Amino acid sequence: GAVVSQHPSRVICKSGTSVKIECRSLDFQATTMFWYRQFPKQSLMLMATSNEGSKATYEQGVEKDKFLINHASLTLSTLTVTSAHPEDSSFYICSVGQARNGYTFGSGTRLTVV
Amino acid sequence: QQQVKQSPQSLIVQKGGISIINCAYENTAFDYFPWYQQFPGKGPALLIAIRPDVSEKKEGRFTISFNKSAKQFSLHIMDSQPGDSATYFCAASKGGGSNYKLTFGKGTLLTVNP
Repeated sequence: GAVVSQHPSRVICKSGTSVKIECRSLDFQATTMFWYRQFPKQSLMLMATSNEGSKATYEQGVEKDKFLINHASLTLSTLTVTSAHPEDSSFYICSVGQARNGYTFGSGTRLTVV
Repeated sequence: QQQVKQSPQSLIVQKGGISIINCAYENTAFDYFPWYQQFPGKGPALLIAIRPDVSEKKEGRFTISFNKSAKQFSLHIMDSQPGDSATYFCAASKGGGSNYKLTFGKGTLLTVNP
């Protein structure tokens, strides 16, 4: 499958600040990337589908203005959590899909908002 | 609406035993069924995946059994080892990657006792 690099792995930020998470597809040109959120001991919940060169598609209930997604190139998608609050603390994971090889996930970003 | 139902929620197996995790889906348009293994603080890693044209797929100690008429699929881990202790997620999608989003089960926490 694709090689996916996600950074940072951990970030702690103050309430009210913004945090950017990067997801890079290192060996595959990804027109589409996916962003998930996972709370402790829960499953992965899809937040949005990131589309290269166009607007992201958000799942129902996910605030577009709070979770800004930019997919400016075929190898990079970014998720910015704006005006973060403690309830945004979670594990954020990106993934890349390949038609034949399925989906590969990044190593995740643990966000803690204090 | 939960489209992929996974059971059990947790499972304890002795070393050398067989671990069995079951999933059922509702959407007959799904045609790609992967299983993921996730260790704490890490992103999910693809274990094995199956498409509806086969009833079973085996890779090493991991086997997927697929029952299209019952809309069920299961993961069997033979000769379970303590290193297999992790959370396992089944998933489903239309298509195997690229633009189609995955729907995850709620996960099964597997503990293999030495």
